[in-house]
Amino acid sequence: DIQMTQSPSTLSASVGDRVTITCRASQSVGDWLAWYQQKPGKAPNLLIYKASTLQSAVPSRFTGSGSDTEFTLTISSLQIDDFATYYCQQYKSFSSLTFGGGTRVEIK
Amino acid sequence: EVQLVESGGRMVRPGGSLRLSCVASGFTFDDHGMSWVRQAPGKGPEWVAGITYNGGSTSHAESVRGRFTISRDNAKNSLYLQMDSLRVEDTAFYYCTRRSHFFDYWGQGTLVTVSS
Repeated sequence: DIQMTQSPSTLSASVGDRVTITCRASQSVGDWLAWYQQKPGKAPNLLIYKASTLQSAVPSRFTGSGSDTEFTLTISSLQIDDFATYYCQQYKSFSSLTFGGGTRVEIK
Repeated sequence: EVQLVESGGRMVRPGGSLRLSCVASGFTFDDHGMSWVRQAPGKGPEWVAGITYNGGSTSHAESVRGRFTISRDNAKNSLYLQMDSLRVEDTAFYYCTRRSHFFDYWGQGTLVTVSS
């Protein structure tokens, strides 16, 4: 299986900050990468797919970039609603889909 | 509005069986692949199984292969997960999701607890 490693595991930030989360794959996944946001007690919510394509209705302050083995999710100006846990997920192969360990964004 | 509603989760003994169901609405069900994703309490999501739009191809995570089986009934807009030989480590919320590669819509989840 392709292993996905996210960093940092926890991030403390303030409203208005620019925030960057990194996701690294153990082998190339091309641009077959998605990002999700999850709030406590809720299912994950798709933010970005194909590394940089914004899902419908997701605010434009979220940006995805990268390819092959290194990817980033950037929030340009953190809002109160953005305090949550974020996961990356590779989908290079239908037979083996894997998620990263998550990055919790908390209030500083 | 896309809706995915899971059911069937409950407490079961190790070695037992369970069948989860998901009823879909708000989109053309047989146009889309579907998947099950689970999440143990306090842990990250884990993909469990996926199925193509017509059921012609399925895939299962190594951790459940040979014990779980995904299937669908397009006439009933329904997705299923047959879970046999359940283990304590299968305890999790199980989510029905749309698509078979990344997941653009998720249900609210159904809790499966495997405990003696």
